[in-house]
Amino acid sequence: DQQVKQNSPSLSVQEGRISILNCDYTNSMFDYFLWYKKYPAEGPTFLISISSIKDKNEDGRFTVFLNKSAKHLSLHIVPSQPGDSAVYFCAASGNTGNQFYFGTGTSLTVIP
Amino acid sequence: NAGVMQNPRHLVRRRGQEARLRCSPMKGHSHVYWYRQLPEEGLKFMVYLQKENIIDESGMPKERFSAEFPKEGPSILRIQQVVRGDSAAYFCASSPSARNYGYTFGSGTRLTVV
Repeated sequence: DQQVKQNSPSLSVQEGRISILNCDYTNSMFDYFLWYKKYPAEGPTFLISISSIKDKNEDGRFTVFLNKSAKHLSLHIVPSQPGDSAVYFCAASGNTGNQFYFGTGTSLTVIP
Repeated sequence: NAGVMQNPRHLVRRRGQEARLRCSPMKGHSHVYWYRQLPEEGLKFMVYLQKENIIDESGMPKERFSAEFPKEGPSILRIQQVVRGDSAAYFCASSPSARNYGYTFGSGTRLTVV
């Protein structure tokens, strides 16, 4: 039962362009969402988060958008840099749960 | 990932042996979570512990797997009689509070069962 889905396993983007990573969820009780970035042989690193009371959160080159009616969130990276090449996971939790539900990840490659 | 220490980084076990994975949370964090990542999959929750207590083990397989977080020392994830299907990356995370707003993950232990 995959409650958080990332339907694009991979994405390639030219350096300097925008990267858009998408994530869908099924549980309407989720109220907090995060994006993690993961390099090979390392643990995931927290990138950015958003609460369900907001529809946008921005941190430097990273912006997360939340569309609650569509149960969809996206991560925008602009401008994309080669160092952004990694696997990106979205995750969600509800206020009654102890765990985060993770998507399967999108592997981003930024081409110099 | 500095702060959450997992060891060993790599662990090879033969089928039927026991695997012990250790996790020391960040200083000041008393909440520990274990996740497992199988090949080509996302991270799946296994268990949530506080010092000396298992709070939520809903993601743990019913047999062979156990976890503890003693008053002193690291959290331990123990897998008895390992099978090939246990081969995965096991990540530990910690947080300072119960309703956490983002974990800090360790670098993981990659378990290979031969």
